[in-house]
Amino acid sequence: QQQVKQSPQSLIVQKGGISIINCAYENTAFDYFPWYQQFPGKGPALLIAIRPDVSEKKEGRFTISFNKSAKQFSLHIMDSQPGDSATYFCAASSTQGGSEKLVFGKGTKLTVNP
Amino acid sequence: DTGVSQDPRHKITKRGQNVTFRCDPISEHNRLYWYRQTLGQGPEFLTYFQNEAQLEKSRLLSDRFSAERPKGSFSTLEIQRTEQGDSAMYLCASSSRGRPSYGYTFGSGTRLTVV
Repeated sequence: QQQVKQSPQSLIVQKGGISIINCAYENTAFDYFPWYQQFPGKGPALLIAIRPDVSEKKEGRFTISFNKSAKQFSLHIMDSQPGDSATYFCAASSTQGGSEKLVFGKGTKLTVNP
Repeated sequence: DTGVSQDPRHKITKRGQNVTFRCDPISEHNRLYWYRQTLGQGPEFLTYFQNEAQLEKSRLLSDRFSAERPKGSFSTLEIQRTEQGDSAMYLCASSSRGRPSYGYTFGSGTRLTVV
């Protein structure tokens, strides 16, 4: 059972455009929602993260929007650049029960055309 | 380079052989995690160590898989009697504090191909 559903699977945007990636989760115990960026041949790198007590978090061109009632969160990349071309993963974890694992979505391959 | 180091970067093995991967975490990190990533999928959790203690294991970690972190520093992941379904990228991550909310640092992974 996939606990974090991510869409779209792939996304193509023009330079300067807005990239939007969406995720939905099922487990109401999740209380930490990070986004990771992965370039080919590299491991994922933490991009930005949010907790459910806030509805939005912004870091530079990257913004997470969080809707607790809908159990959805999204990543917005403003002014997208060719260097942003990578695979993006949403993830979730719960601080309850002592587990320290992250549950990842299937990823979105973003291509930003110059 | 003070990042997470994984060795080897690539491994090709024949079905039925045993393989062992090594992970060297960031030196001051006491938590170490193993994940597996197949093509087109997100990483899936395998196991986690705090110092030398293995505190959590996924059901994905079958009897053929074993992980160790003998002195709380580097870790090894061994797969016995490899199967074609074991072909994947094996990722190691480390963290200095509890909870993923403090941020994992991932290594670049070991890509395993079982032929």
